[in-house]
Amino acid sequence: QKEVEQDPGPLSVPEGAIVSLNCTYSNSAFQYFMWYRQYSRKGPELLMYTYSSGNKEDGRFTAQVDKSSKYISLFIRDSQPSDSATYLCAISKTSYDKVIFGPGTSLSVIP
Amino acid sequence: DADVTQTPRNRITKTGKRIMLECSQTKGHDRMYWYRQDPGLGLRLIYYSFDVKDINKGEISDGYSVSRQAQAKFSLSLESAIPNQTALYFCATSGGEKLFFGSGTQLSVL
Repeated sequence: QKEVEQDPGPLSVPEGAIVSLNCTYSNSAFQYFMWYRQYSRKGPELLMYTYSSGNKEDGRFTAQVDKSSKYISLFIRDSQPSDSATYLCAISKTSYDKVIFGPGTSLSVIP
Repeated sequence: DADVTQTPRNRITKTGKRIMLECSQTKGHDRMYWYRQDPGLGLRLIYYSFDVKDINKGEISDGYSVSRQAQAKFSLSLESAIPNQTALYFCATSGGEKLFFGSGTQLSVL
């Protein structure tokens, strides 16, 4: 079983839609949960960072972690064409440990 | 200037050739990483280094080697390239929980 799994999509939504992206992980030892955004032929960039369970909001983005279910989510409100990218969830056991990435979900927001 | 610089940006080579991908960073971070990205498989860790004297294998290190020449420089070598090493390669650095990535090297092995 892979340590982190993610639906690869592709996902296509109209502008203004609410987007839900999800990942599951297998080991309860993971404490740090991240979402990276990657535009075509660019390196990934950190979008959201969460420690342990709970929600974190940043503008139109909300990251949610449910450790009891080993389930992490990213919600995008009022999606924009500029949100079109690949979104990768990532997990780590400590803030200084290596980071393990999911395969990424490709998102297209259609004007 | 970019914080993490990878060279070359693109490389086409033949099976059996030795290839070196280079990475330099101006972030002042101790930790550096090499990942490869394949469609549907995401980013997989090849090697990582927590300081100049520390080198660790990642999940897919076979066929690769690395050299940490200085705090700012971390190179990845393919001693004898094979076609299934065709991929997008990323170097990254971190000083905490956040990874900073370079723009990637697209390597094609024919």
